[in-house]
Amino acid sequence: QKEVEQDPGPLSVPEGAIVSLNCTYSNSAFQYFMWYRQYSRKGPELLMYTYSSGNKEDGRFTAQVDKSSKYISLFIRDSQPSDSATYLCAMSGDRGSTLGRLYFGRGTQLTVWP
Amino acid sequence: DTEVTQTPKHLVMGMTNKKSLKCEQHMGHRAMYWYKQKAKKPPELMFVYSYEKLSINESVPSRFSPECPNSSLLNLHLHALQPEDSALYLCASSQGGDNEQFFGPGTRLTVL
Repeated sequence: QKEVEQDPGPLSVPEGAIVSLNCTYSNSAFQYFMWYRQYSRKGPELLMYTYSSGNKEDGRFTAQVDKSSKYISLFIRDSQPSDSATYLCAMSGDRGSTLGRLYFGRGTQLTVWP
Repeated sequence: DTEVTQTPKHLVMGMTNKKSLKCEQHMGHRAMYWYKQKAKKPPELMFVYSYEKLSINESVPSRFSPECPNSSLLNLHLHALQPEDSALYLCASSQGGDNEQFFGPGTRLTVL
């Protein structure tokens, strides 16, 4: 079993829809949770960074972490064609190391059509 | 400013060439990373530098040689690469530990 599971999609939604992206994980030691957006042939861009359980909102984006279920989500409200990209979840904190090794999901490819 | 820069953007090289990838950050970050990313896959960690010292080498073949000349710069020296090494090479930096990692735009490498 991979440490981080993420449905690769593809996911296709109409403009204005609410998008829900999810990851599950198996390592209960993970403490830090990230979502990156990656446009085709570009580097990943950090969207959200959260610590432990709870919600965090930034504009149209909301990140949720449920450590009891080992489940994290990213919600995108009022989705736009410019949101079309691959979304990668990532997490760290597994050994309390100082080196911040990231464990990535496979990424979900999202298309928002006008 | 959360910018990590990488040069060149694109690189094509033969299997006998020697080339270098460069990465720079001016955020005062203490940790810098090299990742390799193949199409439709997540980034794979190659090397981690912490306070300019190599801290992690993920069993990367010796044809990839990292160097950290100072706290702002990270190089990846390439020699005798194979076609399967063609990929997007990403640099990232962070304050260290489990702080956020910020990625550069990547260098798209093609090995002929």
